[in-house]
Amino acid sequence: RKEVEQDPGPFNVPEGATVAFNCTYSNSASQSFFWYRQDCRKEPKLLMSVYSSGNEDGRFTAQLNRASQYISLLIRDSKLSDSATYLCVVKHQKVTFGIGTKLQVIP
Amino acid sequence: DVKVTQSSRYLVKRTGEKVFLECVQDMDHENMFWYRQDPGLGLRLIYFSYDVKMKEKGDIPEGYSVSREKKERFSLILESASTNQTSMYLCASSYGTAATNEKLFFGSGTQLSVL
Repeated sequence: RKEVEQDPGPFNVPEGATVAFNCTYSNSASQSFFWYRQDCRKEPKLLMSVYSSGNEDGRFTAQLNRASQYISLLIRDSKLSDSATYLCVVKHQKVTFGIGTKLQVIP
Repeated sequence: DVKVTQSSRYLVKRTGEKVFLECVQDMDHENMFWYRQDPGLGLRLIYFSYDVKMKEKGDIPEGYSVSREKKERFSLILESASTNQTSMYLCASSYGTAATNEKLFFGSGTQLSVL
């Protein structure tokens, strides 16, 4: 089983839609969780950390479910500029990236 | 703003050549990393370093070596390039101890093609 698993997509959604991505991780001792965003032919950049109680940053909400070992990212009111690949990142001694979920927001 | 600079954006080399990929960061970060990114495989950690002259193997170190003679510079070396090392190489740095390295700052990447 992969350490971090994501559905690669693509997710094609209309502007204004709400979209959610999940990511599962295999190591129950994992300590920290993040979502990174990567635009086409660009480097990954930190989008947000994921806290146990869940956290929100504008239209973006991240949640952690330790019992089921998954994290989620919810994007409300999707914008064309949200089109990108979203990388799930899990840290236990070292940082491990998922393969990313590609989102395409359509006009 | 943190700046992580990779020496080349595109590089074309021949099989068997020795290849140096250079990475420099300007924020006095202790931790530096080299990843490669391939379609369908995501980012995979090659080597990392938590201090000058210190290096640790990542998940796929075979065929690579690294050098960290100065805190700001972390070099990836392909001793004898092979076609299966054609990939996007990403350097990253972060602040903090090995136990707390969190936010990674990435360079813009080097697309290496080995012919």
